[in-house]
Amino acid sequence: EAQVTQNPRYLITVTGKKLTVTCSQNMNHEYMSWYRQDPGLGLRQIYYSMNVEVTDKGDVPEGYKVSRKEKRNFPLILESPSPNQTSLYFCASSFQGRDTGELFFGEGSRLTVL
Amino acid sequence: SQKIEQNSEALNIQEGKTATLTCNYTNYSPAYLQWYRQDPGRGPVFLLLIRENEKEKRKERLKVTFDTTLKQSLFHITASQPADSATYLCALDPRGTGGGNKLTFGTGTQLKVEL
Repeated sequence: EAQVTQNPRYLITVTGKKLTVTCSQNMNHEYMSWYRQDPGLGLRQIYYSMNVEVTDKGDVPEGYKVSRKEKRNFPLILESPSPNQTSLYFCASSFQGRDTGELFFGEGSRLTVL
Repeated sequence: SQKIEQNSEALNIQEGKTATLTCNYTNYSPAYLQWYRQDPGRGPVFLLLIRENEKEKRKERLKVTFDTTLKQSLFHITASQPADSATYLCALDPRGTGGGNKLTFGTGTQLKVEL
């Protein structure tokens, strides 16, 4: 089954404790992206990757890091989480260069930073 | 500045009626526009794409229109059912390059279909 898998789905942590949210896709997509979703603000792009070892900032990259060492994986790293990073996070992927750019989303990771 | 606007107020309609959702945008020249459905606590799911040179696109009970002069897209669900209740998001690819990079989303409109 084609899917984007995120882990953990739920996480409560404390300020300053480094964490990683993993994302993996099995569709051989070149493009992967991270979004955060907050009430009233919608989905905002954090980082994206056009292919292995190619990453770029989205609209709200501050406080986040990413890496793309393998095509299927695109982890989101919060080096020193703060309460304003409490949010619902989505990983998404798509084929690069196709006409539609249809994004396939993961089920989301709800993060609470105390 | 660039902006995508969807009605933040929930749309309540009766089963069997046609639901019409609006997506307005400013300071974009998108090559295409996409619509997604999102259920509570779940990831968005792609529904339809319409290109700038297309006036209308249909898929089963769904219809999307795209007016680049008005800078507006309308999303219609005919013969609506309670199972259609969800939040619907529009998204633009402002650079028209495809592949999903820099796809910008509206905040979504919640649709509730009542019996």
